[in-house]
Amino acid sequence: DGGITQSPKYLFRKEGQNVTLSCEQNLNHDAMYWYRQDPGQGLRLIYYSQIVNDFQKGDIAEGYSVSREKKESFPLTVTSAQKNPTAFYLCASSFPDRVETQYFGPGTRLLVL
Amino acid sequence: KNQVEQSPQSLIILEGKNCTLQCNYTVSPFSNLRWYKQDTGRGPVSLTIMTFSENTKSNGRYTATLDADTKQSSLHITASQLSDSASYICVVSRSFSGGYNKLIFGAGTRLAVHP
Repeated sequence: DGGITQSPKYLFRKEGQNVTLSCEQNLNHDAMYWYRQDPGQGLRLIYYSQIVNDFQKGDIAEGYSVSREKKESFPLTVTSAQKNPTAFYLCASSFPDRVETQYFGPGTRLLVL
Repeated sequence: KNQVEQSPQSLIILEGKNCTLQCNYTVSPFSNLRWYKQDTGRGPVSLTIMTFSENTKSNGRYTATLDADTKQSSLHITASQLSDSASYICVVSRSFSGGYNKLIFGAGTRLAVHP
């Protein structure tokens, strides 16, 4: 897992509730990413950020939001608009010119009550 | 369409045996290919990375091959151990102008090594 931490390990969401997943890295990486992993599917990119105060939508951004106020932190909020949030969420980071070399955190499993 | 297909979906082998996992891709333009190991409930960890010009790369008991002409890669595990039980994910990097790459992930092969 390198120098990337995610919390919590498990998270439960009630209907209509927004929840925030934490991702912190101490690798001095400028770029950070959020992925969603579902059984039988490859990882899908939700949002990414190549520098502080800037981020772009990935392939499945609907129902999610992010912020990048600090280089070390890239929290992901799963909003009530995300109708199927149950999944394993992975955060990753890299140097911006080395996108192919991403280091992943341990993941957060989100479950809906 | 840019895709990465892995086979088999799952595999069970006995401890000490060898196995080979397959990855076929249609990603273009190709930049590099990486194999990750992901333990259950954990994040993926890189095993090997290969560029267009490399056709074999080893990391201990793991050996990856790449045939850029047929767009196929394989991961061979020698003398399997119980700790090899995990999902193995093939990831192809697609290059864009300006140097930015996008990663295309396969769905993974789930390997179970039994004593």
